Amino acid sequence: KAGVTQTPRYLIKTRGQQVTLSCSPISGHRSVSWYQQTPGQGLQFLFEYFSETQRNKGNFPGRFSGRQFSNSRSEMNVSTLELGDSALYLCASSSNSGAGELFFGEGSRLTVL
Amino acid sequence: GNSVTQMEGPVTLSEEAFLTINCTYTATGYPSLFWYVQYPGEGLQLLLKATKADDKGSNKGFEATYRKETTSFHLEKGSVQVSDSAVYFCALSIAGNNRKLIWGLGTSLAVNP
Repeated sequence: KAGVTQTPRYLIKTRGQQVTLSCSPISGHRSVSWYQQTPGQGLQFLFEYFSETQRNKGNFPGRFSGRQFSNSRSEMNVSTLELGDSALYLCASSSNSGAGELFFGEGSRLTVL
Repeated sequence: GNSVTQMEGPVTLSEEAFLTINCTYTATGYPSLFWYVQYPGEGLQLLLKATKADDKGSNKGFEATYRKETTSFHLEKGSVQVSDSAVYFCALSIAGNNRKLIWGLGTSLAVNP
């Protein structure tokens, strides 16, 4: 079956702009999690959505937000971009069981100039 | 707080050499422990996991044992292949929430023929 699809794969923005990233989970998966990956901080949890509701949230400022649609597709938005937001943003989907494995997309690489 | 420390890379080995990648953790409660792998050009994928002390996770010839007394989850493989070249990430989750993972910074492995 198709894997996790993230779009766009690459994008360049300038400081102060906003960006929206999209994630389509594996068919049948209702949980979508987002992570930020940078060389210095590694992978950091942003948030998780399940059935259109945010279920968990990491320690990121309010400029980072997300949502999930009824078909389980998810978007994350970053407003008022800062240079430090340059990163690879990873989406992962999973089934709802507590031991559910995370399936990752290839990520969206954001560069902020 | 909760954290994961893994050995810095890059690690370079010859084919058929023995591999160990060290991973230690700090956690409240009883975490589940994971190794994920990222092959070149691909998304992160689960390699193995262990959910309680003394459990051994294994997959594709890799093994790791959950050692509560030393708070460690070292990854081992007896004979590496060129195809094992990848970045390996150690991670933990708390309270059964396997979507909110805390990650090590990753260890890059290069295996030469």
